[in-house]
This record gives sequence, structure tokens and C-alpha cells, in this order.
Amino acid sequence: QKEVEQNSGPLSVPEGAIASLNCTYSDRGSQSFFWYRQYSGKSPELIMFIYSNGDKEDGRFTAQLNKASQYVSLLIRDSQPSDSATYLCAVNRGSTLGRLYFGRGTQLTVWP
Amino acid sequence: NAGVMQNPRHLVRRRGQEARLRCSPMKGHSHVYWYRQLPEEGLKFMVYLQKENIIDESGMPKERFSAEFPKEGPSILRIQQVVRGDSAAYFCASSPGRGLGAFGSGTRLTVV
Repeated sequence: QKEVEQNSGPLSVPEGAIASLNCTYSDRGSQSFFWYRQYSGKSPELIMFIYSNGDKEDGRFTAQLNKASQYVSLLIRDSQPSDSATYLCAVNRGSTLGRLYFGRGTQLTVWP
Repeated sequence: NAGVMQNPRHLVRRRGQEARLRCSPMKGHSHVYWYRQLPEEGLKFMVYLQKENIIDESGMPKERFSAEFPKEGPSILRIQQVVRGDSAAYFCASSPGRGLGAFGSGTRLTVV
């Protein structure tokens, strides 16, 4: 079983819609959870992190964490074509803080 | 304030040659992480270094790969006797503390 699993997609949504990206993880000891965005040929950039159960909102982005279900999600409201990218879910298990376990990513396309 | 600088951006090596990848952390940052992104795979942790010390190298392949972060100068990821399977994007990130900071723009290694 992979450490972090994501639907590979591609996920395609129209402009203005809500995009929902999902991620599950295998280690119940995981302590912190991250969403990165990666444009083609570029480096990943951090967009959200969450440590506690529940929702965390930042602008158009909402991260949701359910530790009991070992599930993390990212909602993007009012999706824009500029949101088209691959979204990487990552978890940290607490031993080495900067050591993250990444999923393979979900490719999102927002069409005008 | 410049971000994490990696060079070269693109590197082509023939099988059997050596590859040296450089990472200059942000000013004041003494922690460096190296990650590798193989085609169609997620980012994978390789090594975590502080100045003059390797803290966690559990993600490094056992042979041909080495990393250093000297007191002066950039962090170096060295791959000896490269093989085609080493072709990947290599990213480093720096931080002032133990957590993962922003990634550099990466080095795309192609082995021919």
C-alpha cells in the first residue's frame, strides 16, 4: 500500500466551478498534511497545510482533514484556468519535519 | 532576497559519467533537503543536511549517490556512473529550521 494515494485524474471542471481533490494516507501517525501545486516543468509550490481535524480556509482554497478516515481533501472554489496544474498531496510522519511523503498528484484542468 | 538557487537547470550526461547538482540555499538558511521526481512518479525524499552534517540520508540510493553541504558554498548532490534510470528532476529546498521550505527551480537530469 502506498504511503499517500491520490486519484491521478485528470480532473476537468469548468471555470467558476468547485474542484475537489482527494488524498488518503496509510500511516495513522502522520501529523501534518500539505497541498502543493505544480505547473508543468516547474517546481512544486506550497498552497495549503493543515494539522488539525476539520477545515482550513485560505482565499479560494479549503483544506479538509479527517484523521479517523485518514483522508485529506482540497477544495478550490471559483476555479480559474490559471488553476490548471498538478496538485500534490503530502504528509509528514513527524520524524524528520521536512521529510514529506508525496502522492503522485492529480492533474486538474479548468476550461473556460 | 533571492530564493533557493539550483544549477544547472538542465544537465545532460552520458551513461557512466558523473553528475553534480548544486543548491544554494536562501540567505540565512542552514537546512537543505533534496528530493527527486522520476517521470510519472511523485516526489521522493532523498536526503536532509545541515551545514557540514548529513542528518537523514535514508532516501538515498545505497550506491553512486552522495550529498554534502559544506560550511561554505552550495550543497552538492553527486551521482557517479549515471544510468538512464537516474533521469529525473532533482529539487532542493532550504529552510531556517527543520521544516521543509520552498523548493528551488530544480535540475532536470537527462542521461543519454
